[in-house]
Amino acid sequence: DIQMTQSPSSLSASVGDRVTITCRASQTISSSLNWYQQKPGKAPTLLIYAASSLQGGVPSRFSGSGSGTDFTLTISSLQPEDFATYYCQQIYRTPSTFGQGTQVEIK
Amino acid sequence: EVQLLESGGALVQPGGSLRLSCAGSGFTFSSYAMSWVRQAPGKGLEWVAAISYSGGTTYYADSVKGRFTISRDNSKNTLFLQMNSLRAEDTAIYYCAKSKSGWYDFDHWGQGTLVTVSS
Repeated sequence: DIQMTQSPSSLSASVGDRVTITCRASQTISSSLNWYQQKPGKAPTLLIYAASSLQGGVPSRFSGSGSGTDFTLTISSLQPEDFATYYCQQIYRTPSTFGQGTQVEIK
Repeated sequence: EVQLLESGGALVQPGGSLRLSCAGSGFTFSSYAMSWVRQAPGKGLEWVAAISYSGGTTYYADSVKGRFTISRDNSKNTLFLQMNSLRAEDTAIYYCAKSKSGWYDFDHWGQGTLVTVSS
């Protein structure tokens, strides 16, 4: 199975900060990577697909980049509603696998 | 508006069985692959099983292969997960998820249903 490793596991940031989360795959996955946001008690929502494409309805402050094994999710200016846990997911090969998550907390 | 509504979660003893359902609406259910994804309490996301739009192809995580069966009834816009030989480690919230275009790009999720395996 392809292992997905996110860093950091958690971070504290302030409203307005630029936040970057990284995700590394154990083998190359081309651009077959998605990012999800999950708030407590809620289902995940798709933010970014195919590494860098913004899902409809997602604010433009979210962006994704990378290919191969290294990927990044960036929030350009953190908003109060962005405090949540973020997961990367590879869809290159079955089984699809998720990173362990990055919890973004209020500083 | 796309809606996915899971049901069937319950408390069950180890070794028992349970059938989850997911009713879809607001989209052409028969045109999309569907999956089940679970989340153990306080843990991350784990893909469990997927089924093609027609139901003709299925995939499973190794952790559930041989115990769980995914199926769908396109005439009733409903996805199922039959879970047998349940173990404590199957305790989780189970989400059904609709694929955007391929197999695993989940653009819509249900609210989840809790399965607890305990004696």
